[in-house]
Amino acid sequence: KQEVTQIPAALSVPEGENLVLNCSFTDSAIYNLQWFRQDPGKGLTSLLLIQSSQREQTSGRLNASLDKSSGRSTLYIAASQPGDSATYLCAVRGAGSYQLTFGKGTKLSVIP
Amino acid sequence: DTAVSQTPKYLVTQMGNDKSIKCEQNLGHDTMYWYKQDSKKFLKIMFSYNNKELIINETVPNRFSPKSPDKAHLNLHINSLELGDSAVYFCASSLPESTDTQYFGPGTRLTVL
Repeated sequence: KQEVTQIPAALSVPEGENLVLNCSFTDSAIYNLQWFRQDPGKGLTSLLLIQSSQREQTSGRLNASLDKSSGRSTLYIAASQPGDSATYLCAVRGAGSYQLTFGKGTKLSVIP
Repeated sequence: DTAVSQTPKYLVTQMGNDKSIKCEQNLGHDTMYWYKQDSKKFLKIMFSYNNKELIINETVPNRFSPKSPDKAHLNLHINSLELGDSAVYFCASSLPESTDTQYFGPGTRLTVL
């Protein structure tokens, strides 16, 4: 059974700082890994999707990496802004499955 | 245009009642999902469904049943509601290919009194 862990559970940083969010998963047989953002009282917004054959994906100030063999992914956010404050969720899609298994998220606060 | 929509946004009801939550997607996707986010914000898959198969998470009570009148809709019916059913329920959709991301609706906050 796939388990996804995110560390830290919460993170508070001053504006402008670069930061890294961590995600680990127990079963390396995955199709892809996704990072989502959830704002309070809102749904999830997909940020980046990395296929199992890829090592990283970039979108603007965000960079996600994947090391499938070690069961790890990181989300790097450059030059953080107050608008980045949200909960960031990591999710993996298992091989042969449509379903995503989520971590519990990292709640990020960027202080102006 | 809203890609994945859910109604209602809030639902407050008494224990023992039967209720439904509706989900619609206008993305032309083949696969739809229901997720439950509990009070600790942990998001868990309940069902995934396309026109070929329904996959049920084994931990979901049989009081919960998805119903799909057509490819664009996947409604969630809940019978005999219990206090522990209080949560936020999210609908999502995707193409079945492994390259595609899932698109989520805004969620329905269910409160059982």
